[in-house]
Formats: sequence, C-alpha cells, structure tokens
Amino acid sequence: GAVVSQHPSRVICKSGTSVKIECRSLDFQATTMFWYRQFPKQSLMLMATSNEGSKATYEQGVEKDKFLINHASLTLSTLTVTSAHPEDSSFYICSATRYTTSRGGSDTQYFGPGTRLTVL
Amino acid sequence: GDSVTQMEGPVTLSEEAFLTINCTYTATGYPSLFWYVQYPGEGLQLLLKATKADDKGSNKGFEATYRKETTSFHLEKGSVQVSDSAVYFCALSYSGGGADGLTFGKGTHLIIQP
Repeated sequence: GAVVSQHPSRVICKSGTSVKIECRSLDFQATTMFWYRQFPKQSLMLMATSNEGSKATYEQGVEKDKFLINHASLTLSTLTVTSAHPEDSSFYICSATRYTTSRGGSDTQYFGPGTRLTVL
Repeated sequence: GDSVTQMEGPVTLSEEAFLTINCTYTATGYPSLFWYVQYPGEGLQLLLKATKADDKGSNKGFEATYRKETTSFHLEKGSVQVSDSAVYFCALSYSGGGADGLTFGKGTHLIIQP
C-alpha cells in the first residue's frame, strides 16, 4: 500500500507554454502533499506544501504565480508550470502524507517517481 | 537555515563489504532524521528514521544512530548486496516525517559489484 503516482513521467514543451503535472495517492487519502524540485546532482528542494481545500504554502524564493498548485481532493494535487522557460527544466517530485491516528498523527511521506520536464 | 551534507558518490563496493555513508546536518532546532533510498525508476522510499538524540533507526540490515553531539546520522550496513545498489538520501524534518517538508542532502549513489 501507500503508492503515489505522477503523470506524465516525462514532458517536453516549447518555451512559453504551460505544463500540468498530476500527483495521485492511489490507495490512501493524503492529508498533505508536497512538491519538490531536483536539479542534476543536487538535492531535492521543497517548493511548496499543499493541503486539500486550502491554498498552498510556498517556500521562500518559489514564485507562486509561476508554479500553480491545486489540491482539489484528498488523492490529487496538480502542479502547473506557467509560461515555462528553459530554466524551469528540472525533475519534479511529489510526495503525500497518509494520515494515521497512531503515533501522534501524520505518518511517513510517500514519494512519486518524479516527472522530467524539458523546456525547449 | 537547515542543511544536510552527505558524502559524494558514487560509492563502489564489492558484495559483502561493510558500508558507511556519512551524513551531517545543521539545524536550528531538534529535527527528526531520515534515510531515504531510491531504486532505479522508482520513487524515494523511507529506509529508516530517528526522532531524537541517541535513537537508532534500523531496517533491512541498515542502521543509523542520531548523534546530537556530532550532528551526524551515518548510515551503516555490515554486508551489502548487489540489490542494495541505489541512491541514498539523508534528510531532516521537524515533524515525524509527514507534516512538514524534508530538507535533503544531495544523495549518494551506491554501486555494489558482484
């Protein structure tokens, strides 16, 4: 159990277009979803935290108007990269937290396999 | 801000060798510490965690002890297998792992040769 999927796994787009990436928790309801970005040979950097039905909380330096996050349900969060440019090319990874009543509440983060975005 | 530093890879070992991957952290508070593993083509998976000083996390033969005095959380395994080949990430968080985002190290690519 606790599987998180991302779609698409790879996307190539032209500069100036918008790209939507979906993150789904397949077999559990996620109280919280996170979006990370990973550059080659770099660590994963937290971009934003989203809770179902409320606005996402963005990390310092992340443009909220460029990276739109919608957490419409307890199993789906989307990241839209608006007006993408080559510098937005990266590996985007989501994670989801399954709520549990044991051990004080929130459980482990479960990660999706990632989406490789290439902007030409 | 908080940060995690881990040894750069790739680390190449022979099967049955002893493994150590170093991880140190800087933090303003008292975080929980984690090791995640990423196998080729898959998402990150939690390998083990420790939530307070002197705690030892263990799983699948891997161990790591939360050392507050040296701000370290080194990953060890006594005898590695080819199937342990993966990228290993050290991370910290101020929750048990679910409520807050994680701060990651850069990852260490481990290659185990038969």
